[in-house]
Amino acid sequence: AQSVTQLGSHVSVSEGALVLLRCNYSSSVPPYLFWYVQYPNQGLQLLLKYTSAATLVKGINGFEAEFKKSETSFHLTKPSAHMSDAAEYFCAVSFTGAAGNKLTFGGGTRVLVKP
Amino acid sequence: NAGVTQTPKFQVLKTGQSMTLQCAQDMNHEYMSWYRQDPGMGLRLIHYSVGAGITDQGEVPNGYNVSRSTTEDFPLRLLSAAPSQTSVYFCASSRTSGAPAGELFFGEGSRLTVL
Repeated sequence: AQSVTQLGSHVSVSEGALVLLRCNYSSSVPPYLFWYVQYPNQGLQLLLKYTSAATLVKGINGFEAEFKKSETSFHLTKPSAHMSDAAEYFCAVSFTGAAGNKLTFGGGTRVLVKP
Repeated sequence: NAGVTQTPKFQVLKTGQSMTLQCAQDMNHEYMSWYRQDPGMGLRLIHYSVGAGITDQGEVPNGYNVSRSTTEDFPLRLLSAAPSQTSVYFCASSRTSGAPAGELFFGEGSRLTVL
């Protein structure tokens, strides 16, 4: 069975500071890994995805994530936080198969950006 | 572009009542799914479908029914609402072929309260 753990349900950063959101996964087969963002009262949007190509993945809005197999991690970073980054972020894992679009989500990390 | 459309956006039910959450997508996606979102628990898969006439259970299917008579529509039925079903429900869709697993497109959500 696959699972996803996000460390920290809430993170507070100052505008211009580094954003670091942690995600660890467990999967018995090579995973696909994703970060989604949810703005208030909206659905989830895909930020970026890892699908076994480059281990450093760049996404939208200046975010990137690095797949580290030895650490079973897929942490999300952004060098300089902007007020518009305030949202909830979800890490998710999937894998190829007959129903490969089934995602398992982490519990989410809510980001607060202080001016 | 409409994308994934969910109705209603808000609903209040009494315990024991039944209702249907509607989901429609106009992207000709084969895969459709329903998730519920609860604080601190991320999103959990209720039911999913890989094509018209084909449905299967996810992680938390009890108390919910689905059907898929067309490619576009994937309604979620609550048979006898319980307070534990108070949640935000998301419908999501994707292609099953030619796209990386897990690249889901989400609706804006339906907030359900069961009294």
